[in-house]
Amino acid sequence: NAGVTQTPKFRVLKTGQSMTLLCAQDMNHEYMYWYRQDPGMGLRLIHYSVGEGTTAKGEVPDGYNVSRLKKQNFLLGLESAAPSQTSVYFCASSQERDSRPYEQYFGPGTRLTVT
Amino acid sequence: AQSVTQLDSQVPVFEEAPVELRCNYSSSVSVYLFWYVQYPNQGLQLLLKYLSGSTLVESINGFEAEFNKSQTSFHLRKPSVHISDTAEYFCAVSEGNGPASKLTFGTGTRLQVTL
Repeated sequence: NAGVTQTPKFRVLKTGQSMTLLCAQDMNHEYMYWYRQDPGMGLRLIHYSVGEGTTAKGEVPDGYNVSRLKKQNFLLGLESAAPSQTSVYFCASSQERDSRPYEQYFGPGTRLTVT
Repeated sequence: AQSVTQLDSQVPVFEEAPVELRCNYSSSVSVYLFWYVQYPNQGLQLLLKYLSGSTLVESINGFEAEFNKSQTSFHLRKPSVHISDTAEYFCAVSEGNGPASKLTFGTGTRLQVTL
């Protein structure tokens, strides 16, 4: 059981370049999330998905796109990277039972630098 | 909208001393509360959670937190810390409404344990 995995672990981009971050989970969770972590700001939700084929905006969605074509994968795309997107990106997944939230399981993170 | 406040960005403490990490939240509805821990260069791990029932919840490594509805707090405590507890701790709240219970995180408290 690998849990939540993220690729790549590190990446350096030039301004204007594009890239896709991949998140995969093997726990059959319905819900998946993308966060960014910046110093002094905690984690902020970028986009999330409540099931295969569905996505929704979080707190800071601008400049990012997502897709959930398969239940186990959640992709985060940057079409035209900007220095403000330099951050550590975390993917998480969770399940709900009895209409109450269960814990979110986090991946190890991707450290992205945009120069 | 829900929000979480962690007033202490850093808490230095000597090994075997007690520690309290403060967390206050604001929400207009019933909430579910979580503490996550992040060790250096790792993702977040759930430390403990309050969903319902007893207001005092405990983790397997000696931490405990008490849900205080009147004071809208969920402070984290440990009576005797160890060097290995050095990490960043995040308080999070979920209102549990809707198909996905999104978490709102505080800005984190860095616990630094020294000899």
